[in-house]
Amino acid sequence: QKEVEQDPGPLSVPEGAIVSLNCTYSNSAFQYFMWYRQYSRKGPELLMYTYSSGNKEDGRFTAQVDKSSKYISLFIRDSQPSDSATYLCAMSANSGGSNYKLTFGKGTLLTVNP
Amino acid sequence: KAGVTQTPRYLIKTRGQQVTLSCSPISGHRSVSWYQQTPGQGLQFLFEYFSETQRNKGNFPGRFSGRQFSNSRSEMNVSTLELGDSALYLCASSGTSSVDEQFFGPGTRLTVL
Repeated sequence: QKEVEQDPGPLSVPEGAIVSLNCTYSNSAFQYFMWYRQYSRKGPELLMYTYSSGNKEDGRFTAQVDKSSKYISLFIRDSQPSDSATYLCAMSANSGGSNYKLTFGKGTLLTVNP
Repeated sequence: KAGVTQTPRYLIKTRGQQVTLSCSPISGHRSVSWYQQTPGQGLQFLFEYFSETQRNKGNFPGRFSGRQFSNSRSEMNVSTLELGDSALYLCASSGTSSVDEQFFGPGTRLTVL
């Protein structure tokens, strides 16, 4: 079982839709949770960063972490064509050497159609 | 503030050759991590350096190595290239002592023929 599972999609939605992206994980040591956005031929760009369980909102983006279920989500409201990209979840642990690397999901390819 | 820069952006090599990739982190950042990204495996951690010391290493063969200089710039080297080494190699820097908020460069696209 991979440490982080993410549905690769592709996911296609109309402009203005609410998008839900999800990841599950198996390593209970993960404490820090991130979402990155990667446009074609670019490096990943940090979107959201959360510590432990709870919600965090930033503009049209909301990140949720449920550590009891080992499940994280990213919601995009009023999606725009410019949101079309691959979304990657990433996690890191909170102890020793394992805190010095990120473990990524494989990414979900999102297309928002005008 | 300038972002993470990586050179070269594109590279074509043949099997058996070696290659060196370079990464300059964001000014003031002391942690540099390297990742390999392929369509099949996604983003996989190679290694991380902090103050010239390797703190963590992923599950890659010894052909993959790296180092960090006193100015925090980092290089990674792949020797005896194989076809499967074709990938996007990404460098990320972090300004904290952990690597939670990492900022990525644009990557080096390596093609091995």
